[in-house]
Amino acid sequence: AQTVTQSQPEMSVQEAETVTLSCTYDTSESDYYLFWYKQPPSRQMILVIRQEAYKQQNATENRFSVNFQKAAKSFSLKISDSQLGDAAMYFCAYGRGSLSGGGADGLTFGKGTHLIIQP
Amino acid sequence: AAGVIQSPRHLIKEKRETATLKCYPIPRHDTVYWYQQGPGQDPQFLISFYEKMQSDKGSIPDRFSAQQFSDYHSELNMSSLELGDSALYFCASSAMTGTGPPDTQYFGPGTRLTVL
Repeated sequence: AQTVTQSQPEMSVQEAETVTLSCTYDTSESDYYLFWYKQPPSRQMILVIRQEAYKQQNATENRFSVNFQKAAKSFSLKISDSQLGDAAMYFCAYGRGSLSGGGADGLTFGKGTHLIIQP
Repeated sequence: AAGVIQSPRHLIKEKRETATLKCYPIPRHDTVYWYQQGPGQDPQFLISFYEKMQSDKGSIPDRFSAQQFSDYHSELNMSSLELGDSALYFCASSAMTGTGPPDTQYFGPGTRLTVL
């Protein structure tokens, strides 16, 4: 079974600074996807960024980027120029890919990291 | 852009009652997923459907059942409700084929179920 570990229950960063959230995972599959979801106080689950395991290039979405280290099974999220609206719970998630027979499989989530933005 | 629609948004039930949650996926998405998120917890996968067939099953209690209909909407039926069923229930949808990036699940706003 796949596992996802987020070792930082809570992180704090000053507004406009950069913060990195850690995530490690364990899998024996070759085709999989990794995601970061953001859950603000409204509790809506919002997709932040996704990474395909077969891609070596790290995904980037505006101020959000990942550091994907496949051999180390590490998938960290970097938030640059932190803004007050970034304050939320961030979940790292693993999904088995279609080529591994898991196209409609449920995601496995980590326990989450609560990100606090200090003005 | 259209998002996943869930109804109702809030639901209050008594113990041993039944509840039905509904999910309408993003247009042209053919796969739906159900998750349960307890207070302070990460979402736990319950069940998924692709083209109206059950695709994957997680930690769904036997008291719960679900199905996907011909218009791709899905319903989660919960019977003999227990206090521990109080949680936020998310539906997510994805496109196995066709539009959008594959294997990416987009979540609805959730249904908050309170069992008294």
